[in-house]
Amino acid sequence: KAGVTQTPRYLIKTRGQQVTLSCSPISGHRSVSWYQQTPGQGLQFLFEYFSETQRNKGNFPGRFSGRQFSNSRSEMNVSTLELGDSALYLCASSSGDGSTYEQYFGPGTRLTVT
Amino acid sequence: AQKVTQAQTEISVVEKEDVTLDCVYETRDTTYYLFWYKQPPSGELVFLIRRNSFDEQNEISGRYSWNFQKSTSSFNFTITASQVVDSAVYFCALRANTDKLIFGTGTRLQVFP
Repeated sequence: KAGVTQTPRYLIKTRGQQVTLSCSPISGHRSVSWYQQTPGQGLQFLFEYFSETQRNKGNFPGRFSGRQFSNSRSEMNVSTLELGDSALYLCASSSGDGSTYEQYFGPGTRLTVT
Repeated sequence: AQKVTQAQTEISVVEKEDVTLDCVYETRDTTYYLFWYKQPPSGELVFLIRRNSFDEQNEISGRYSWNFQKSTSSFNFTITASQVVDSAVYFCALRANTDKLIFGTGTRLQVFP
């Protein structure tokens, strides 16, 4: 089975721009979660989608949003980028229905905001 | 509130030494899951183990072993006969009644030849 894929792997943006990151979960997984990893704050939960619905949300401003499509692929969007948004963004997939509980992570998208 | 504490920021050992990574968690839920993940320099988090709150049996997988003790809210991870390839950041994580993972701050393990 193919693992979780994320595109792009690296991204450089300018303050004020917006960015969209993509995640394709493991085949059959219906839950996709997003995490932000920074040296200062560590790994922080952004949100989780299950069957195209946001099921959980972390403590991030409204500039961070996401969605999930009918094929379980997910995108997250960050608008009006700030320097502090520079981070590794990790996507994780799981079955979401309670049949498995572990989350499998993709390689991440490293976003640099200048 | 839910919290995971990994007090060891960085550990350095010489190859073949045994090393234990500590993890202490807090949760009021009676049903929860604990995980360990490995993050090598490439950045991808690799799932190592899951343990649920009703199963306190220790587990061994090759050179890896895990000690889960509810009485002390700890889920420690031991690597026996460490190897250079074990060098990575290791994260302990907690999941209670949602699919949200709460991560510890991680322990950076450096294994020197």
